[in-house]
Amino acid sequence: DAGVIQSPRHEVTEMGQEVTLRCKPISGHNSLFWYRQTMMRGLELLIYFNNNVPIDDSGMPEDRFSAKMPNASFSTLKIQPSEPRDSAVYFCASSSQTISYEQYFGPGTRLTVT
Amino acid sequence: GENVEQHPSTLSVQEGDSAVIKCTYSDSASNYFPWYKQELGKRPQLIIDIRSNVGEKKDQRIAVTLNKTAKHFSLHITETQPEDSAVYFCAARGSGQLTFGSGTQLTVLP
Repeated sequence: DAGVIQSPRHEVTEMGQEVTLRCKPISGHNSLFWYRQTMMRGLELLIYFNNNVPIDDSGMPEDRFSAKMPNASFSTLKIQPSEPRDSAVYFCASSSQTISYEQYFGPGTRLTVT
Repeated sequence: GENVEQHPSTLSVQEGDSAVIKCTYSDSASNYFPWYKQELGKRPQLIIDIRSNVGEKKDQRIAVTLNKTAKHFSLHITETQPEDSAVYFCAARGSGQLTFGSGTQLTVLP
């Protein structure tokens, strides 16, 4: 298995632009998590899905952020409009909650908003 | 919700010495406690985990202990090596999700 796949790996955009981050979880995993990592705030959970259904989005900073999981093999995190304070590394992770609780992280997307 | 506190934030040890990182959690219902290692520019990777029905777990040079009564758990690394230098995160699982500690930057000095 290729592991969790994220794209793009790096994204540089201007303030006000729409940004879409993509994630493909490990095949067979039924839970998917989006995290944001910054020096100031550490590793924060933004939202997680169970069987493609959003379970907890209380970590989503504000209405500019939205996430979808249209099927078991794909999820997106969208920021519209983007702001400089959104600059961070965004990680996607997946797990099979029926087998173990271990979460496998993707390589992350480094987002820079200028 | 769950709150996880991690100490220390930075730790320097001489190669060959032991390192201990401590975490406390708030939700007594939390049942799973993983430790992740993150090297610079890389993703967090699980190094060891423990469930609430176990008090201690060991894997070669690393071990984790859990005190459910006191709601704290610790990571122990023995015979540290330069490649152990990284940021280590503890986490606690409650309500289906992980809450992470703030991380410990471990530096192993040659």
